[in-house]
Amino acid sequence: GQQVMQIPQYQHVQEGEDFTTYCNSSTTLSNIQWYKQRPGGHPVFLIQLVKSGEVKKQKRLTFQFGEAKKNSSLHITATQTTDVGTYFCAVRHYGGATNKLIFGTGTLLAVQP
Amino acid sequence: NAGVTQTPKFRVLKTGQSMTLLCAQDMNHEYMYWYRQDPGMGLRLIHYSVGEGTTAKGEVPDGYNVSRLKKQNFLLGLESAAPSQTSVYFCASSYPTTGGNQPQHFGDGTRLSIL
Repeated sequence: GQQVMQIPQYQHVQEGEDFTTYCNSSTTLSNIQWYKQRPGGHPVFLIQLVKSGEVKKQKRLTFQFGEAKKNSSLHITATQTTDVGTYFCAVRHYGGATNKLIFGTGTLLAVQP
Repeated sequence: NAGVTQTPKFRVLKTGQSMTLLCAQDMNHEYMYWYRQDPGMGLRLIHYSVGEGTTAKGEVPDGYNVSRLKKQNFLLGLESAAPSQTSVYFCASSYPTTGGNQPQHFGDGTRLSIL
């Protein structure tokens, strides 16, 4: 079935260091969404990328969609303790008329003050 | 502004018991979804609904049933609970897709343990 690989599974950084998580698909994607889940919380939508090579920024977060639309990355500059959580990418299910998403396994980010 | 509300928040069941998880949304969303989240597995879609009175199977539907009698409510039922169904269950809702996907809005989750 359709799969989305997300790496790394876990990353521990010192506050102020940068962080990047990657999402890879074997098939071409129509779009990709990113969600953040705080510990004990629920996933919260961050952003959607649609165009090849698209780059979007939200303050210290930079989201990129690959030129071939098979991969995406989320980069956080100068992490803060508020960035702690699991970051998920989500892609459109191949039967996509129903807004179904396939979620990656997530990257858990730990930030040490 | 409640968004998506799930009840209960926590529950412990014995093997073989039944229960229903309730999801209610006040955003007038057409689409609703039930996911389960297990360590290292991300979110997996159990069932979903694209409108009142319609439901469909997701990735992992076995052992679960759903109903969408009203647009704002989506119920997930476990007829005979099994330990393998111990998980965190999330409900989500969204507007219909229009070319690109719509963001999904999640409830706070139900933490279910089956002994």
